[in-house]
Formats: sequence, C-alpha cells, structure tokens
Amino acid sequence: NAGVTQTPKFRVLKTGQSMTLLCAQDMNHEYMYWYRQDPGMGLRLIHYSVGEGTTAKGEVPDGYNVSRLKKQNFLLGLESAAPSQTSVYFCASRPSRQETQYFGPGTRLLVL
Amino acid sequence: DAKTTQPNSMESNEEEPVHLPCNHSTISGTDYIHWYRQLPSQGPEYVIHGLTSNVNNRMASLAIAEDRKSSTLILHRATLRDAAVYYCILRAANDMRFGAGTRLTVKP
Repeated sequence: NAGVTQTPKFRVLKTGQSMTLLCAQDMNHEYMYWYRQDPGMGLRLIHYSVGEGTTAKGEVPDGYNVSRLKKQNFLLGLESAAPSQTSVYFCASRPSRQETQYFGPGTRLLVL
Repeated sequence: DAKTTQPNSMESNEEEPVHLPCNHSTISGTDYIHWYRQLPSQGPEYVIHGLTSNVNNRMASLAIAEDRKSSTLILHRATLRDAAVYYCILRAANDMRFGAGTRLTVKP
C-alpha cells in the first residue's frame, strides 16, 4: 500500500492563478481531510469528506473548494490564489470505525 | 470549542522516560484525547488516543486524569528518533483542533 499520497510536492503560484492539489489513498478509507499548516503553528482543518460525493467545511474554508468524486481521491482547489494561502497542505484519511488519521507527506505551496 | 494547553518545549535525555503534559479543562464528555507527533518536514503521525481509561500501545502510554481535564503522554525510553513536535488534540465529531504542540528535544 502506498498509503496517502499528495501531488504535487511543491508548487509556486502567482497571485490570482488557480490550481488543484490532489490527495489519493489506497486504503479504502471513508473519511478524508485537508489541512493547512503555517510556520510554527499546528494544523488547521480546511474541508473534509465523510464519503464519496460529500464534503463539508472545516475551520478555515474560505478561498478553497473541494471535490470527492471518487472514494480514493480528494481534490483541493484554489480558484484565485493569494499570498495568505502560502502554506504547507496536508491531506489525511481514516476508516469510519477507527480514530486514527493517516497523513500524506504534504504539499508546499508558495504564492507570490 | 475545547482547547488544549501544552508547554512549548521540553528536553529529555536518551533512554530516559518522558512525560508530556496536556491540559484540557473544557473537555466535553464525548471528546476523544488524541496525540500525534510530527517529525521535521513530514506529515503528522498518530501516537495514541483515549477517552476515559489509560491506554498503552507499542509507541507510548496515555494517562488520563480522573476528571479528564488533563492527560500525559509517556514515552518510556526516549530515543533520538522521538525528537518531534507532539500535539495533544481533542477530537469532537470530524473536527480535530491542533495547537502549537510541544517540541521535544532528545539529548544523546
């Protein structure tokens, strides 16, 4: 099992550009999450999904959209990137009957 | 939302036990107590979790106070590979709120 993978690993954007971050998991987990981590801080939940076709807002959803068209994939979109969205983005997944979240390696995003 | 309070940093000597404290005085009856750790340039890694009773696993032990307003993560023999930021988190439904965590330094 590859676990949770994230694409890309690193990206530089200009203000106003759009992009999509891809999270994939091969563990058949129902729940998936997107977090952001700013320097020296803990993770903050952006959006999450409790199953294919469903998404919900987390603590800091503004400026982001998500989609869960397939159970194994959870996409995070930035329609118009802003410098405040410079961060490291982590994806996680977990089975519905377990507490453990499994995290990906992260995507480092720099918005100029 | 329930919040956790942890020391910013702690130091330990290699092969000695480490006790990482966490205060969560506003915890509700259904909040699970989770601990994750994050090594440099990696995603967080699950360590342990509990609800009311003390818990043990191969990585650590979790001691939960009787009133649930505090807990302690115990690493029985710290190694250099245990140097990381340790997060104490309360999980309510699908919301896990990470604080700034405790940065653990392990000295050889």
